[in-house]
Amino acid sequence: DTAVSQTPKYLVTQMGNDKSIKCEQNLGHDTMYWYKQDSKKFLKIMFSYNNKELIINETVPNRFSPKSPDKAHLNLHINSLELGDSAVYFCASSQGPSGGYNEQFFGPGTRLTVL
Amino acid sequence: KQEVTQIPAALSVPEGENLVLNCSFTDSAIYNLQWFRQDPGKGLTSLLLIQSSQREQTSGRLNASLDKSSGRSTLYIAASQPGDSATYLCASNTGNQFYFGTGTSLTVIP
Repeated sequence: DTAVSQTPKYLVTQMGNDKSIKCEQNLGHDTMYWYKQDSKKFLKIMFSYNNKELIINETVPNRFSPKSPDKAHLNLHINSLELGDSAVYFCASSQGPSGGYNEQFFGPGTRLTVL
Repeated sequence: KQEVTQIPAALSVPEGENLVLNCSFTDSAIYNLQWFRQDPGKGLTSLLLIQSSQREQTSGRLNASLDKSSGRSTLYIAASQPGDSATYLCASNTGNQFYFGTGTSLTVIP
């Protein structure tokens, strides 16, 4: 049983296109995240949702729009893709935004390549 | 804002050696400290989570310690194996998010 799943695993597209990445978790968690991992392997948080409400929105271009239809899903839509958007995007979830027992679980990642 | 640093950035050891990975953080007001492993082309796998009230956690050959007052955590790997080769990341749960270090790339040479 996959805890955090993402689709697609690979995404190759042309500059200027619009694309979406989907994420689902079956852990019953309230909080979900999107991270971007660049070529230097640094993980940067983009967005965080708690109970479908946006709680973290880092300095991300407004071409990126997250949507949480319910607590188990957090999708990422990207408009007008640029070369610099090429990276691996990870979805993650945790019970809440904070707490001693708050363990974070990650999806397998989506490797986005913009040509 | 929390800053998390991991030193060294890369480490290469012969098989069987014991090793220590370091993680330091600037804000001691953490809820927990989590260690992850990332294999090439894969997602992050949670290894150990230490709550702020705990000093250490153990899982098999792995032992993680936490010293909040000095802003440090260490991951001790005993009797290293080639299968331990991966990037190891630490993350602190501070405020309402997780702050990640830059990772240590470990290579265990057979």
